[in-house]
Amino acid sequence: AQSVTQLGSHVSVSEGALVLLRCNYSSSVPPYLFWYVQYPNQGLQLLLKYTSAATLVKGINGFEAEFKKSETSFHLTKPSAHMSDAAEYFCAVRPRSGGSNYKLTFGKGTLLTVNP
Amino acid sequence: NAGVTQTPKFQVLKTGQSMTLQCAQDMNHEYMSWYRQDPGMGLRLIHYSVGAGITDQGEVPNGYNVSRSTTEDFPLRLLSAAPSQTSVYFCASNLGQGRQETQYFGPGTRLLVL
Repeated sequence: AQSVTQLGSHVSVSEGALVLLRCNYSSSVPPYLFWYVQYPNQGLQLLLKYTSAATLVKGINGFEAEFKKSETSFHLTKPSAHMSDAAEYFCAVRPRSGGSNYKLTFGKGTLLTVNP
Repeated sequence: NAGVTQTPKFQVLKTGQSMTLQCAQDMNHEYMSWYRQDPGMGLRLIHYSVGAGITDQGEVPNGYNVSRSTTEDFPLRLLSAAPSQTSVYFCASNLGQGRQETQYFGPGTRLLVL
């Protein structure tokens, strides 16, 4: 069974600093990988996704993530944090094949705080 | 397109009451699902449907029923509400299987069971 681990339930950075949110997956076959963002009192919005093309994936709002098979990781980064990036971020995986290849499994989320 | 819509936005129930959370999508998506979100738990799949007339259980199905009579609608029923069902509920949809799939989420329903 696949699973997702997000290291750090809360990350705090200063405005202008690097943002690094960690995600590791456990799966016998590299899955499809997603990052979602949730702003307060809103639903989830897709930031970016990895579907086996380029390993470095660029998303919206200046975020990017790199798929590293050897490390089973898909960490999310942004070079310079903005106050508007404050939100909760979820990593999710979906199997590439099989009967349940449409089901997402989510990590527990990382709350990003950006300090002025 | 309105995307994925959910009603109500907020609901307070007493223990033992029943209610239906509504979810609709206008994107002709085959796959729809319900999640609950609890602090520190991420999103957990309750039920899902791969098309009209087809539903199946997710990770935490107990206490919930679903049906899918049309492509557009996927209501979630709480048969006898319990305080443990206090949560934020999200409905989501996507076109179907395939690597380019993106799952679209509704704005959520906040449920408080007293």
